[in-house]
Amino acid sequence: EVQLVESGGAVVQPGGSLRLSCAASGFRFDDYTINWVRQTPGKGLEWVALINWDGTSIQYRDSVKGRFIISRDNSRNVVFLQMNGLSTEDTALYYCARDEDSGYDHWGQGTQVTVSS
Amino acid sequence: SYELTQPLSVSVAPGQTARIPCGGDNIENKNVYWYQQKPGQAPVMVIYRDNNRPSGIPERFSGSNSGNTATVIISRAQVDDEGDYYCQVWDSGTVVFGGGTKLTVL
Repeated sequence: EVQLVESGGAVVQPGGSLRLSCAASGFRFDDYTINWVRQTPGKGLEWVALINWDGTSIQYRDSVKGRFIISRDNSRNVVFLQMNGLSTEDTALYYCARDEDSGYDHWGQGTQVTVSS
Repeated sequence: SYELTQPLSVSVAPGQTARIPCGGDNIENKNVYWYQQKPGQAPVMVIYRDNNRPSGIPERFSGSNSGNTATVIISRAQVDDEGDYYCQVWDSGTVVFGGGTKLTVL
């Protein structure tokens, strides 16, 4: 069974940092691109970043460029999202999602990030 | 940047057909994906590449994409189909989601 489990969410002050993790199981991890997608309370989905199977292709949405870093460790089946310089605008539920044929066929349950003073 | 436009809400009576549109400039030239999200749950893909159903999704779900509008079509709508529906495309190497449509079946 394919599983994606996010962790690392917390309450953090503006300007702070967090590292999110996405642990994968049930599939050949290094065959897939993994994405981070966030959702603010009561609002829609917003794509954040992606990393291809070997980490050689990475993309970010403009609002997080220079602050967030996505990486992966294929030996541990984990994708990370290092988030620096956090602002209240980054408050959201963060999902990781597996990219299958350019759509997301499996999602985790999300980890909550709250940026507040 | 590319934008996708969805109505805030769509209502349909049980047993009738629901159509949820997603507007975008020449969207017919892109592959469109659709997700259903129920309260407190992660999204679930219901349509990929315009009109294909993932395994486990009922045949009542279908999709179309023409001109500037893609549509997810839910035949014989059931109360269990209620939720938020999001369309998604790729544009210039990044991912774009529509704002979401709340489907009510009553």
